[in-house]
Amino acid sequence: EVQLVASGGGVVRPGGSLRLSCAASGLTFGEYTFHWVRQIPGKGLEWVSLITWNSAGTYYRDSVKGRFTISRDNRKNSLYLQMTSLRTEDTALYYCVKEQLYASGSYAFDIWGQGTGVSVSS
Amino acid sequence: EIVLTQSPGTLSLSPGERATLSCRASQRVASLYLAWYQQKPGQAPRLLIYGASSRATGIPDRFSGSGSGTDFTLTISRLEPEDSAVYYCQQYGTSPSYSFGQGTKLEIK
Repeated sequence: EVQLVASGGGVVRPGGSLRLSCAASGLTFGEYTFHWVRQIPGKGLEWVSLITWNSAGTYYRDSVKGRFTISRDNRKNSLYLQMTSLRTEDTALYYCVKEQLYASGSYAFDIWGQGTGVSVSS
Repeated sequence: EIVLTQSPGTLSLSPGERATLSCRASQRVASLYLAWYQQKPGQAPRLLIYGASSRATGIPDRFSGSGSGTDFTLTISRLEPEDSAVYYCQQYGTSPSYSFGQGTKLEIK
């Protein structure tokens, strides 16, 4: 069974930092692109960042560019999100998500972790 | 960024009925890059449909997707109580960019 287990969330002051981790099992981790997607409590979903299988490509939503850094360690089957200069609007549940490329050429987020909560508050 | 607008905001139906959920894009979306997800309270989203109309692994054939261009539809036939959830559409665009609709809450009476 494929599992993504996120950790590292917590409560932090505005301007603070956190590092999220996501441990993957049950799949060949290094073959896939992974994402972080967040959800403000009671609200919708918002894509945050992605990293390609070999770390050659990293992309971010505009509001987190320059503050968040996505990385991965394929030897450890792990995905990371380093978050700095945190703002109250970054408060959310952060999901690590696996991207699947289908034979048709379609992409979708087929496996989601359980999420780790980040609360930015003074 | 492409904005996805879902309607209705809330849908209340009875078991056995058919649900029709709409997702409208502010610009044309390639069908290959349109997906639907189901999220139940306290759970992570689950992929239902990819490529606008292909069911993900393990998804019952009561769930079907259709549409093209800027208008997409998720249809759930023969509703069951466990279909109560929030449903999101999502698109993948160039740059790359990803956006989700705001969700439709489906209540089974």
